[in-house]
Amino acid sequence: GAGVSQTPSNKVTEKGKYVELRCDPISGHTALYWYRQSLGQGPEFLIYFQGTGAADDSGLPNDRFFAVRPEGSVSTLKIQRTERGDSAVYLCASSLIGRAEQYFGPGTRLTVT
Amino acid sequence: AQRVTQPEKLLSVFKGAPVELKCNYSYSGSPELFWYVQYSRQRLQLLLRHISRESIKGFTADLNKGETSFHLKKPFAQEEDSAMYYCALMNSGYSTLTFGKGTMLLVSP
Repeated sequence: GAGVSQTPSNKVTEKGKYVELRCDPISGHTALYWYRQSLGQGPEFLIYFQGTGAADDSGLPNDRFFAVRPEGSVSTLKIQRTERGDSAVYLCASSLIGRAEQYFGPGTRLTVT
Repeated sequence: AQRVTQPEKLLSVFKGAPVELKCNYSYSGSPELFWYVQYSRQRLQLLLRHISRESIKGFTADLNKGETSFHLKKPFAQEEDSAMYYCALMNSGYSTLTFGKGTMLLVSP
């Protein structure tokens, strides 16, 4: 079946602009996660959704970052007033509730110039 | 706070040689540990988890709570094993994975 998909695959934006990154999880997976991976680092947790609600958003670095999942399926990560330090690969993963195995998407490479 | 340490950025071996990728963790509870792998131009995927105690593609990993380690081993490396390997720790609420910085394994012919 189809895996986790993310769009766009690449996004280049200017400093100060607003961006939205989209994640489409595996059908039936009610748990959804966002991670950020900077160059030379492992993925770092940002936020976790159970259904429509954010169950854990402790990894969001500041209030410029926000994520939604209004219908419990597709999620959008929103970054306001982007900064060069936001440049990274943003990964989305999904899983069945209560199951540890997470399935990752291909990521969105964000470059802020 | 939970932490995962992978001390080697790069491990380079010849085909047929044994491989050990090191992983140490810090966690106050009962850990659940994983190895994820990312092959060139592919997405991150689960290789194995300590609970299942299985061998995948010839790789095994044993959880050593006394040494807080979860090293990944393979007795005879193959060229197709060349990839980036990440050790990861799951928190007890199944909400977050904490990853190490990763080790690049290069297997030369």
